[in-house]
Amino acid sequence: QSALTQPASVSGSPGQSITISCTGTSSDVGGYNYVSWYQQHPGKAPKLVIYDVSNRPSGVSPRFSGSKSGNTASLTISGLQAEDEADYSCSSYTSSATVVFGGGTKLTVL
Amino acid sequence: EVQLVESGGALVQPGGSLRLSCAASGFSFRGYAMSWVRQPPGKGLEWVSTISGSGGTTFYSHSVKGRFTISRDTSKNTLSLQMNSLRADDTALYYCAKGDGYNLWRPIDYWGQGTLVTVSS
Repeated sequence: QSALTQPASVSGSPGQSITISCTGTSSDVGGYNYVSWYQQHPGKAPKLVIYDVSNRPSGVSPRFSGSKSGNTASLTISGLQAEDEADYSCSSYTSSATVVFGGGTKLTVL
Repeated sequence: EVQLVESGGALVQPGGSLRLSCAASGFSFRGYAMSWVRQPPGKGLEWVSTISGSGGTTFYSHSVKGRFTISRDTSKNTLSLQMNSLRADDTALYYCAKGDGYNLWRPIDYWGQGTLVTVSS
């Protein structure tokens, strides 16, 4: 099972919006609405920010949103803040009854 | 408050074995799928294994299937990962993680702080 494809890095200035893509196949991202996104600050455990493609857990800022088109899921962060600087990883359920993660994207707030 | 505390990480030689444990508290343990996710130093997250809420169904990544065994003890609220035939590419921080539901496809809503496994001679 190959990892989902994410850009290695993205950047944006405070107040701007950024989007991180997560590309898979029809056997994972495209086949199920079970895509999640995790935020991870250095030295910390991951934190769930989006689940089931576009749902936000309680307590997560509404600045975080998710979507999917075909085999590509996307995480959008609007109104960028310094605290958003972190690594972001997507994951998906697969047709093989496994879970696959993306390689992770480092977000830099300029 | 949900708490997941891993233990058992160590330095082990290639071909060796290790057993990781995770003590869970703050939720109804038998009601949720539990997983192990690992992260090699400086790299991304990799799903390793998941066990259903009842413990009756287990799932493994291709890279560990046949070498690792996940289990849970609902009487002790403990999750375990028995790792055999360890290889250098198993070196990683291993996270214990709780699903937000009973099944494999539910997202992980809580993570432990991880336990480090290093495979090296």
